[in-house]
Amino acid sequence: GENVEQHPSTLSVQEGDSAVIKCTYSDSASNYFPWYKQELGKGPQLIIDIRSNVGEKKDQRIAVTLNKTAKHFSLHITETQPEDSAVYFCAASPPGTDKLIFGTGTRLQVFP
Amino acid sequence: DGGITQSPKYLFRKEGQNVTLSCEQNLNHDAMYWYRQDPGQGLRLIYYSQIVNDFQKGDIAEGYSVSREKKESFPLTVTSAQKNPTAFYLCASSIGTTDQPQHFGDGTRLSIL
Repeated sequence: GENVEQHPSTLSVQEGDSAVIKCTYSDSASNYFPWYKQELGKGPQLIIDIRSNVGEKKDQRIAVTLNKTAKHFSLHITETQPEDSAVYFCAASPPGTDKLIFGTGTRLQVFP
Repeated sequence: DGGITQSPKYLFRKEGQNVTLSCEQNLNHDAMYWYRQDPGQGLRLIYYSQIVNDFQKGDIAEGYSVSREKKESFPLTVTSAQKNPTAFYLCASSIGTTDQPQHFGDGTRLSIL
């Protein structure tokens, strides 16, 4: 079955710097890759997603890139702010299902 | 406002006791899911339901049970057979087709007394 690995597990950046989180997946037929942000004591919130027919997607300071050949996708946050501090999860959807397989999460800390 | 409501936010269980976690959605979504979250781990799927009166086991279903009698509701029972129930439980819903996001509630934290 599908397996998703996520790195790094923790990431500390200075306010205004960029942050990059990477995920790799095992099933080359997976076709949907969402990213979630989880704040303390809350449920994950979808922040951006990408489908396999697209290589890159941007939404203001957030972007996601997908490399299908290498089977990895990345979240890029530019001009980080303290309110970006949270745990971020990537996920992949195995083909023909509506299930999601999650990575183990990245704790991002943005220092003022 | 449409969304997913989980209750209670905190729950305590005594040894040998069953407890039920509530999940209600008003998004008119067909599919609903239960996940377990442990520190330092991703979300692991317990059970999911794609339609009323039908549900399937996820990766860690042992010690749990569910029902789906109404489209809006998908309660999870943590039975006494679940030997390590302390965790953060998350409910989600989606349209139920491929390539669509899941939307999450704010979770229930279950602890053992």
